Amino acid sequence: TQLLEQSPQFLSIQEGENLTVYCNSSSVFSSLQWYRQEPGEGPVLLVTVVTGGEVKKLKRLTFQFGDARKDSSLHITAAQPGDTGLYLCAGNAGNNRKLIWGLGTSLAVNP
Amino acid sequence: DSGVTQTPKHLITATGQRVTLRCSPRSGDLSVYWYQQSLDQGLQFLIQYYNGEERAKGNILERFSAQQFPDLHSELNLSSLELGDSALYFCASSAGTVTGELFFGEGSRLTVL
Repeated sequence: TQLLEQSPQFLSIQEGENLTVYCNSSSVFSSLQWYRQEPGEGPVLLVTVVTGGEVKKLKRLTFQFGDARKDSSLHITAAQPGDTGLYLCAGNAGNNRKLIWGLGTSLAVNP
Repeated sequence: DSGVTQTPKHLITATGQRVTLRCSPRSGDLSVYWYQQSLDQGLQFLIQYYNGEERAKGNILERFSAQQFPDLHSELNLSSLELGDSALYFCASSAGTVTGELFFGEGSRLTVL
């Protein structure tokens, strides 16, 4: 069974701090997606990474796909309260039929 | 606004009952996915339909069934409900059969008492 483990499970920080959350697996993925989910809403796609070693930036968010395409990280610089939410990673196993989801990192950024 | 519409937003029912959740995908999207989200198990993929036909099946219980209609809206039927079925049920849509970007609805929160 393919699993995606996300860490930490919970993170509470002050506005302005930097943070990194991780998404790890023993399996190789053809692509990996990061979503953010806010309370009462569905997940919203932030980025898709495809190539091993790929780095993508979205304003203050930096996403990296591991060289072996088994893991990924999300780094947020100078976190803001608007970054609060559940960050989910989802890997495509290559059969193009379903995504494998992590349990998420719940981030709270306090003003 | 993702463009995916789910109804009802909240539903409270009793054990043993049956409910139907409805989803309208984004305009033009042919694939519909159903997910169950609970605190301890995260997002669990239930089933995918593409243009009216079942494409992929996940951890969907036999008590649950789904279908996609010619107008592309989908319904998820949950029967013989148990306390453990209480969860958020999300519908998502995408343009094709390949699982690219998913657009999620706001979910239907089911509470079974």
